[in-house]
Amino acid sequence: AAGVIQSPRHLIKEKRETATLKCYPIPRHDTVYWYQQGPGQDPQFLISFYEKMQSDKGSIPDRFSAQQFSDYHSELNMSSLELGDSALYFCASSFSGGGEKLFFGSGTQLSVL
Amino acid sequence: AQKITQTQPGMFVQEKEAVTLDCTYDTSDQSYGLFWYKQPSSGEMIFLIYQGSYDEQNATEGRYSLNFQKARKSTNLVISASQLGDSAMYFCAMREGQGTGGFKTIFGAGTRLFVKA
Repeated sequence: AAGVIQSPRHLIKEKRETATLKCYPIPRHDTVYWYQQGPGQDPQFLISFYEKMQSDKGSIPDRFSAQQFSDYHSELNMSSLELGDSALYFCASSFSGGGEKLFFGSGTQLSVL
Repeated sequence: AQKITQTQPGMFVQEKEAVTLDCTYDTSDQSYGLFWYKQPSSGEMIFLIYQGSYDEQNATEGRYSLNFQKARKSTNLVISASQLGDSAMYFCAMREGQGTGGFKTIFGAGTRLFVKA
């Protein structure tokens, strides 16, 4: 079965650069979530989209923005990167009629040097 | 505000034995969902089991089962017949909110399980 696809798997950036992470949800899933997981930490909710509209917002810095496109894929844009942004970024998708259990992608490991 | 508490940073279990991972939650909502995820060293997040707040029966998925005690706001994960491949970080999670729409799911700090041969 198709899973959540994230790209790239690894990304290395310098401070103050920008980064764009992409997420392709499982077909028919109408909701996308972004999470940030620092080393040894639990995943922290950033933002979610339901049917291409922002649904809920967590601890997402103002330097970050995200959107969900007409084909349901989502992009997380990160600007003015800081060392503390180094983390594993997960995208997850769910189907609103399925108990909203999240299916996660493999994550993008972002390293800011 | 919603909160998930996992009080066991690490647990050891002998292969083929059962183990219980504790999780308590705090919410003022009547409708919520509770989840357990497994994160092996490879980093992926794997969904294990789900319990809805209105489900009267404890959820079961293969070797995984939940001991859901709503009045105590706890949802402990029981893994039976532990296998070496069960060694991983286990996260308890909760989603508040009703209806459709991408309500956030929050995670506990996790419990690292070590299965001994």
